[in-house]
Amino acid sequence: QVQLQESGPGLVKPSETLSLTCTVSNYSISSGYYWGWIRQPPGKGLEWIGSIYHSGNSYYNPSLKSRVTISVDTSQNLFSLDLRSVTAADTAVYFCARRYSNTWYFDYWGQGTLVTVSS
Amino acid sequence: DIQMTQSPSSVSASVGDRVTITCRASQGISSWLAWYQQKPGKAPSLLIYAASSLQSGVPSRFSGSGSGTDFTLTISSLQPEDFATYYCQQANSFPLTFGGGTKVEIK
Repeated sequence: QVQLQESGPGLVKPSETLSLTCTVSNYSISSGYYWGWIRQPPGKGLEWIGSIYHSGNSYYNPSLKSRVTISVDTSQNLFSLDLRSVTAADTAVYFCARRYSNTWYFDYWGQGTLVTVSS
Repeated sequence: DIQMTQSPSSVSASVGDRVTITCRASQGISSWLAWYQQKPGKAPSLLIYAASSLQSGVPSRFSGSGSGTDFTLTISSLQPEDFATYYCQQANSFPLTFGGGTKVEIK
């Protein structure tokens, strides 16, 4: 069973960078699939942030692209999210997830981590 | 961006009821649609993909239909564990987008 686990600070100050890591267990990122980030503001819906392949090929949501970098570290079997210049609007539960086969659905998800942007 | 509009935003139903949720895309997406179930404090779980294909392990009381712009998720006989929020997601083009969600509540 593939497992994903998000980690990172739960509190980030406005204008700073939100950095999260997703560690993958029971599956080697190098074996394939795209890996991505999705977020959910409290009480609201889901927003796709972006996805990355083990080769480094990536896709981003244009609404966030100027502030987002997703990277992959195959040696540690993890991928990461950096979101720069955050504001209160970036407060959300951040999920990491795996793309399902060669489609753009998501079949395995992390439990999610709440990141609050506040001074 | 393709906008996904779900209706209703919430529905009250009893155990054993048949529940239908609709999702409309702002432009045609063929059958590139998924449905997810999300319970409070948990990650979404993939129920249906390609509009009508049941994900492995998902009970057969869940079914999906539709193509183009109009899609439906049906729960044939609501069970206690089905009370949750349901989201549709289009996988036709970037950016990937989700519907606003439908909360299925106990009547």
